[in-house]
Amino acid sequence: DAGVIQSPRHEVTEMGQEVTLRCKPISGHNSLFWYRQTMMRGLELLIYFNNNVPIDDSGMPEDRFSAKMPNASFSTLKIQPSEPRDSAVYFCASSFGTSETQYFGPGTRLLVL
Amino acid sequence: QKEVEQNSGPLSVPEGAIASLNCTYSDRGSQSFFWYRQYSGKSPELIMSIYSNGDKEDGRFTAQLNKASQYVSLLIRDSQPSDSATYLCASSNTGGFKTIFGAGTRLFVKA
Repeated sequence: DAGVIQSPRHEVTEMGQEVTLRCKPISGHNSLFWYRQTMMRGLELLIYFNNNVPIDDSGMPEDRFSAKMPNASFSTLKIQPSEPRDSAVYFCASSFGTSETQYFGPGTRLLVL
Repeated sequence: QKEVEQNSGPLSVPEGAIASLNCTYSDRGSQSFFWYRQYSGKSPELIMSIYSNGDKEDGRFTAQLNKASQYVSLLIRDSQPSDSATYLCASSNTGGFKTIFGAGTRLFVKA
C-alpha cells in the first residue's frame, strides 16, 4: 500500500490567500485525522472523521479553518483567509476500525508570509 | 485541559546504553497510551502501545504504565545512533479517536 498521501508537500502563500490541503487515507481505513505541528504547540489534533462523518472538530482553531471528507478516499483541510500564525506542518493520519494505530502521512509544510 | 507532559530534552546517551523516556498525563480517564517516534522532518510513527499497568516489551523497547501515578515510560535498550529522534508520548480515552500528544523528548544517541 502507498500509505497516507498528502498534497502538496510544501506550500508557500501570502497572508489572506486561501490554502487547501489534501489527504488520501490508506485504502480501507475508515477514520481520518488532521493534525497541526509547531515547535511552540507540538502536535495538535484539529479534527477527526469516522466513516466520512466529522466526529470532533473542537481542535479547529477558528472559523477560518474547515475540513471536509466527501468520500472514504479523500479529505481536504481549507484555511481561508490564511495568516502567518497558520505556518506549521499539517499531518493527515488514518486508522482502521477499532484499531488505535494511526498511520501518518508525510505532512504538508505550510508557510504563510 | 487534558495534558500529556514530557521533558523536552535533549536526552543524550552513549551507544549501547539504556535510554529512559518519561511521560505523565492528567486525564485519569485515559485508557490507551502510545509512544511515537519522529525523525527530523518526518512524520510520527507508532512504536509501542500499552493499555494495562505493568511492562510491555517489544524487541529493544519496553513500555511501562502506572495508572495510579499517571505515568508512562519508554525504555530503549542497547541504544543505537539510529534511535536518535523525537519520541512523542500520547494518550487516549476514546478508543484512539481523540489522542492527546505530548510535546516530545529529543533523544541523541552518541556513537
